[in-house]
Amino acid sequence: SQTIHQWPATLVQPVGSPLSLECTVEGTSNPNLYWYRQAAGRGLQLLFYSVGIGQISSEVPQNLSASRPQDRQFILSSKKLLLSDSGFYLCAWYSDIWSGRVTSYNEQFFGPGTRLTVL
Amino acid sequence: TQLLEQSPQFLSIQEGENLTVYCNSSSVFSSLQWYRQEPGEGPVLLVTVVTGGEVKKLKRLTFQFGDARKDSSLHITAAQPGDTGLYLCAGSNAGGTSYGKLTFGQGTILTVHP
Repeated sequence: SQTIHQWPATLVQPVGSPLSLECTVEGTSNPNLYWYRQAAGRGLQLLFYSVGIGQISSEVPQNLSASRPQDRQFILSSKKLLLSDSGFYLCAWYSDIWSGRVTSYNEQFFGPGTRLTVL
Repeated sequence: TQLLEQSPQFLSIQEGENLTVYCNSSSVFSSLQWYRQEPGEGPVLLVTVVTGGEVKKLKRLTFQFGDARKDSSLHITAAQPGDTGLYLCAGSNAGGTSYGKLTFGQGTILTVHP
């Protein structure tokens, strides 16, 4: 079965410090991977997605960057955190191969999230 | 840009009541998913609807996809405190350039009081 991990679970960082959040997926190959940010109790904002190793697409201009050094590893980074970077960060995966259907329906599966507080 | 409007944003009801959450768009989606999220956790997929007019049932939850595939609803019968959470709808379009991306609604925070 497929499993997605995120760490750390919670993080408190000062303004101006660097950031590295990690996401890994098990049980599937060549998944599409996604980073989202969620404000308290609200919808999800897509930050980055990746369709393969080294391939990163950014959805919104921001202080963050993403990298995919391995097939099932997705990293969210920042060189200098801002107060506005606080939030709940979610990683998700999708694979049309996993869906097993002729036409896949883009069902994404989410990790447990990282709560980031920038002070 | 495709948008999904979800309503209501907040819903506070007593145990045993029925409720409906709506998800509307001016755009057509090839499929629509509903997720449920508890505080401090990631969203969990409840259902995917793909055919206009489709109705799916998951115990006390009934999901419907509009005939034109622009809207969807989630109806909960006899709500229980365990139904409390954030409900999210998300639409997608299949195809090579979609890259599996989803468009999310803003969510409905449901609180069911015992």
